[in-house]
Amino acid sequence: LAKTTQPISMDSYEGQEVNITCSHNNIATNDYITWYQQFPSQGPRFIIQGYKTKVTNEVASLFIPADRKSSTLSLPRVSLSDTAVYYCLVGDIWTGANNLFFGTGTRLTVIP
Amino acid sequence: EAQVTQNPRYLITVTGKKLTVTCSQNMNHEYMSWYRQDPGLGLRQIYYSMNVEVTDKGDVPEGYKVSRKEKRNFPLILESPSPNQTSLYFCASRSSYNSPLHFGNGTRLTVT
Repeated sequence: LAKTTQPISMDSYEGQEVNITCSHNNIATNDYITWYQQFPSQGPRFIIQGYKTKVTNEVASLFIPADRKSSTLSLPRVSLSDTAVYYCLVGDIWTGANNLFFGTGTRLTVIP
Repeated sequence: EAQVTQNPRYLITVTGKKLTVTCSQNMNHEYMSWYRQDPGLGLRQIYYSMNVEVTDKGDVPEGYKVSRKEKRNFPLILESPSPNQTSLYFCASRSSYNSPLHFGNGTRLTVT
């Protein structure tokens, strides 16, 4: 089971781009990478998922280098409402990632 | 509306008094799981279920039981709660192996 390492916390000013990097040195061939966002007293919410290279949706971009041992979640022009905890997960796409490891995540604080 | 519903949202109980936290999803998802969230420890998986009558232990199953008699429901049972089970609990479901998890809004349990 591949585990992940993320910074505990980050601060950013409103309007800036924020990049949160996740390390997953033991990622396996069948593992995919998923990011979730969690606001206080709410369940985590899916942001983006990828296997390799770059994935972009309306909320964020996910950059995965060729060796896949790390990944970077990029949030463009953050606002105060982006203050949350962000989790990086790796999971096996073939067996269903039955036991996804969430870890403690990265607490992002957006400053006015 | 597609959702995962947990009940109750808040529960205060005493040591040893059996309790059940219910979880129901209306998305016909095969996979369901339970997590607990504690400060500094992140989200840890308790049990998961791949389908009806198929359950397995996660990282921290001690003191908990689950059942999956119907696809939509996945109750978490604490036969004899103890204070160290005071936590925020989340139920989640997903449709297939590489689809995102959908979380409920959590149940905050206090055991005195």
